[in-house]
Amino acid sequence: DAGVTQSPTHLIKTRGQQVTLRCSPKSGHDTVSWYQQALGQGPQFIFQYYEEEERQRGNFPDRFSGHQFPNYSSELNVNALLLGDSALYLCASSFGGIGDTQYFGPGTRLTVL
Amino acid sequence: GNSVTQMEGPVTLSEEAFLTINCTYTATGYPSLFWYVQYPGEGLQLLLKATKADDKGSNKGFEATYRKETTSFHLEKGSVQVSDSAVYFCALFTSGTYKYIFGTGTRLKVLA
Repeated sequence: DAGVTQSPTHLIKTRGQQVTLRCSPKSGHDTVSWYQQALGQGPQFIFQYYEEEERQRGNFPDRFSGHQFPNYSSELNVNALLLGDSALYLCASSFGGIGDTQYFGPGTRLTVL
Repeated sequence: GNSVTQMEGPVTLSEEAFLTINCTYTATGYPSLFWYVQYPGEGLQLLLKATKADDKGSNKGFEATYRKETTSFHLEKGSVQVSDSAVYFCALFTSGTYKYIFGTGTRLKVLA
């Protein structure tokens, strides 16, 4: 049973560029949430997708956008990258749009130079 | 708003010592409470959870009790091992918001 997978593992970009991160949820899960974890901090909620729609959003600017596909996989897009966007981006999946228990992927480490 | 406060680390213990990591929360409604563990270079793994007052979550020798009267969910283990060295995150989830609120994490280092 595959758990939550994310790609790529690491990514280096420069300021102003755009980036796309990908996530495949755990088998049987249909809900995907994205989190940003800065170094030495706890994860911060970005948004959640269920039934291919953004259902809840944290305090992140519109530069952060996402998408969920019919197979429940998801993408996180960040435009106009800033140095402060450097972080570990975590994807978490759950079932039924409730998300009481979420399973996390290993994350994508994004470095913005 | 909802929030989670954890004791600051790092916490350094000798092997077989008793561990307590404090966690308190502020929330409207009745949140579910969680402890996650993050090993170096890895994502978060669910350690244990409790969904209502007085519930005790337990896993791998760790346990935590949901105390509504003190709004706390302290993590304990009777005898830590070197392999328990990691960062531990306390978190809450409320069904009205569909999202987790995490604490800042507590780094645990266990020495042989």
